[in-house]
Amino acid sequence: GQNIDQPTEMTATEGAIVQINCTYQTSGFNGLFWYQQHAGEAPTFLSYNVLDGLEEKGRFSSFLSRSKGYSYLLLKELQMKDSASYLCAAMDSNYQLIWGAGTKLIIKP
Amino acid sequence: GAVVSQHPSRVICKSGTSVKIECRSLDFQATTMFWYRQFPKQSLMLMATSNEGSKATYEQGVEKDKFLINHASLTLSTLTVTSAHPEDSSFYICSARGGTGVTEAFFGQGTRLTVV
Repeated sequence: GQNIDQPTEMTATEGAIVQINCTYQTSGFNGLFWYQQHAGEAPTFLSYNVLDGLEEKGRFSSFLSRSKGYSYLLLKELQMKDSASYLCAAMDSNYQLIWGAGTKLIIKP
Repeated sequence: GAVVSQHPSRVICKSGTSVKIECRSLDFQATTMFWYRQFPKQSLMLMATSNEGSKATYEQGVEKDKFLINHASLTLSTLTVTSAHPEDSSFYICSARGGTGVTEAFFGQGTRLTVV
């Protein structure tokens, strides 16, 4: 079956670094997406990885290892506004997105 | 990024009535639109996938006669919740993709439906 696993909740301190992990199992693979979702709002796109390695985009970076079925989202210099849920989604061979349950990130001052 | 507009953002309706939610791609042609439902503290649950001009493909467990989806044009899809009940209260989100293959999915703002 197809499955995405990510931690339910994480807590970090303002100004620190946090890494949110995601493991996936899909029928075929066409890339891994990370989305940010604030409470009561729709998700917004953060990153897309299809090749192994690290993609850096400002304070946010995303890593992919296809052989391990593993990805992580790295957030640096955390700000209070980064408090949100972070959704990992893998695209299968039919180009359908398989969603994780999301990781709620709590930032403390 | 591209813009997807979803309307209304909030709606309260009486049990037994129907509610229509619109999803529009404003600056691109959405060949595929997805409708999701999200309950509190849960992830997005795909309800159905619709391709312009064809019938929607519903996920297992989603009643197609209750959740009517129309994707009549490349810029508009609608979801109608028929004979709504309190258990249908949820956050409904549409997303749209243009073209084929791997493309980013753009989300509408979501619709908070409350059935009383």
